[in-house]
Amino acid sequence: EADIYQTPRYLVIGTGKKITLECSQTMGHDKMYWYQQDPGMELHLIHYSYGVNSTEKGDLSSESTVSRIRTEHFPLTLESARPSHTSQYLCASSGKWSSGTSTDTQYFGPGTRLTVL
Amino acid sequence: SQKIEQNSEALNIQEGKTATLTCNYTNYSPAYLQWYRQDPGRGPVFLLLIRENEKEKRKERLKVTFDTTLKQSLFHITASQPADSATYLCALETDYKLSFGAGTTVTVRA
Repeated sequence: EADIYQTPRYLVIGTGKKITLECSQTMGHDKMYWYQQDPGMELHLIHYSYGVNSTEKGDLSSESTVSRIRTEHFPLTLESARPSHTSQYLCASSGKWSSGTSTDTQYFGPGTRLTVL
Repeated sequence: SQKIEQNSEALNIQEGKTATLTCNYTNYSPAYLQWYRQDPGRGPVFLLLIRENEKEKRKERLKVTFDTTLKQSLFHITASQPADSATYLCALETDYKLSFGAGTTVTVRA
């Protein structure tokens, strides 16, 4: 079982609310990722980070923002949630630069199911 | 950029049979290719990695092959069990990030 945690697991909120989805890992991984996935659909990378103070946008445009102030923590924030943000959000981490590994095997958290009414 | 194609049709098989899943990619051959399992409502779980210089990799009842000429990987579940029912994703490195296929859903009937 991977040591990567997401909270909350389920969230139902009203339109216009600000939310933060939490993601933490205890594996010392440098790389962290956020994916968005609708039921039965593929994973879409929305944000990633290669280390502290590094954040990049992924392949799928998202109105969310992320921060990486600590290695273990990679929260995702939506300033004003809308029904179109309803989805499953999955956090993942991989590798340590110092370990010399280059296979980028990703370890996923359990996900946050977000519903915006 | 790399395009990844997996069997779009769900696979329904009888317990004990072998399930074979296909992953095709379009551009350059990656240094490695990975397979993950995803259960409904949960995050994917890493299963196997195969490198470009490896033809075949096994782990218990799972077998993966990698043909860089065909730009294809095959994923086999032998002696399948109902507990193998899940969606299986292939993933490969593109632009220094992992790209995932859409997945193939496998249902094993008892």
